[in-house]
Amino acid sequence: SQKIEQNSEALNIQEGKTATLTCNYTNYSPAYLQWYRQDPGRGPVFLLLIRENEKEKRKERLKVTFDTTLKQSLFHITASQPADSATYLCALASGGSYIPTFGRGTSLIVHP
Amino acid sequence: GAVVSQHPSWVICKSGTSVKIECRSLDFQATTMFWYRQFPKQSLMLMATSNEGSKATYEQGVEKDKFLINHASLTLSTLTVTSAHPEDSSFYICSAGTTGEDGYTFGSGTRLTVV
Repeated sequence: SQKIEQNSEALNIQEGKTATLTCNYTNYSPAYLQWYRQDPGRGPVFLLLIRENEKEKRKERLKVTFDTTLKQSLFHITASQPADSATYLCALASGGSYIPTFGRGTSLIVHP
Repeated sequence: GAVVSQHPSWVICKSGTSVKIECRSLDFQATTMFWYRQFPKQSLMLMATSNEGSKATYEQGVEKDKFLINHASLTLSTLTVTSAHPEDSSFYICSAGTTGEDGYTFGSGTRLTVV
């Protein structure tokens, strides 16, 4: 069955460092992959989309990589700030429906 | 950018009663909206796809008679939880958007507690 795996343990890092979050998937051929941020008690907020034929995408302090051979995406936040503390969700969509399926998310805690 | 408004943000209801949740696209027309449910520390689970002017498409295992979806206009979709039970207590979130670079826009969610 299709599976999207994100590290369930919280990632704790120091302010100013680079945070790297991982999204692995199995039994899936996604047309694209998205990353969202979710704060407690709130709906997710879209951050970045990367397509299957793209290897890397950047937006300000964010960088996403997509390796369809490894079936993995890495999400980087450079120069992290306490305000970046949140849960980050990856979501995959196939070319058929384009409706995203979400991973469980990884909590990021940036310490001042 | 696109804004999706969801109301109410939280609701407490008695077991056996029904609760309606509204989802509005404020600055764009949404022929399709999605309804998700999220339990604590779990992923968003798609419940149904709401299509304007037609019946909703429910995911496997979601009771369509219990979770009534109405998408009567291009800017409004509603989810009614009928005969709510404590196990229906969860965080319900709607979303709308396109498949383009903007991703999907989510509402702020509704925390439902059934007592």
